[in-house]
Amino acid sequence: KAGVTQTPRYLIKTRGQQVTLSCSPISGHRSVSWYQQTPGQGLQFLFEYFSETQRNKGNFPGRFSGRQFSNSRSEMNVSTLELGDSALYLCASSIQQGYEQFFGPGTRLTVL
Amino acid sequence: SQKIEQNSEALNIQEGKTATLTCNYTNYSPAYLQWYRQDPGRGPVFLLLIRENEKEKRKERLKVTFDTTLKQSLFHITASQPADSATYLCALDPRDDKIIFGKGTRLHILP
Repeated sequence: KAGVTQTPRYLIKTRGQQVTLSCSPISGHRSVSWYQQTPGQGLQFLFEYFSETQRNKGNFPGRFSGRQFSNSRSEMNVSTLELGDSALYLCASSIQQGYEQFFGPGTRLTVL
Repeated sequence: SQKIEQNSEALNIQEGKTATLTCNYTNYSPAYLQWYRQDPGRGPVFLLLIRENEKEKRKERLKVTFDTTLKQSLFHITASQPADSATYLCALDPRDDKIIFGKGTRLHILP
């Protein structure tokens, strides 16, 4: 079956702009989680959605938001971009919490 | 505060030997502990999950142990091969809160 897909794969933005990233989970998976990965901080949890509801949220400012649609596809949005937002953004899907997560290839965001 | 540590930044192991990676945590009570492998430029790939009431789990050349008293998990790769070279991440899953990942251990298997 098809894996987790993320679009776009690469993105270059300037400070102050906003960005929307998209994630399509594996068919049948209702849980979608988003992570930010940087060399210094490692993989940090942003939020998790399950059946269109945000169940958990990491310690990120309100500029980071997300949503999940009825078909389980998810988007995350970052407003007023800062240089420090440059990172690899990973999406992962699973049947539910407590089960293995399947990660997408990530979106590499560069903020200039 | 919650803390998760993985041993050393890089680990060099001779091909054929057993590689042992450590994951320690504090101020946390995970219901599950997961191990992932990540290659450069790619998303993590799930390897093994062990539950709080399990002591050990095996899958082919991989073995994971989970000691909730010591707050530690060990990840073993037996008969290591150069293709096992990657970064290995442990993740703590509390069941009803956010998942926390360690920063990972880079493993180099030397031919």
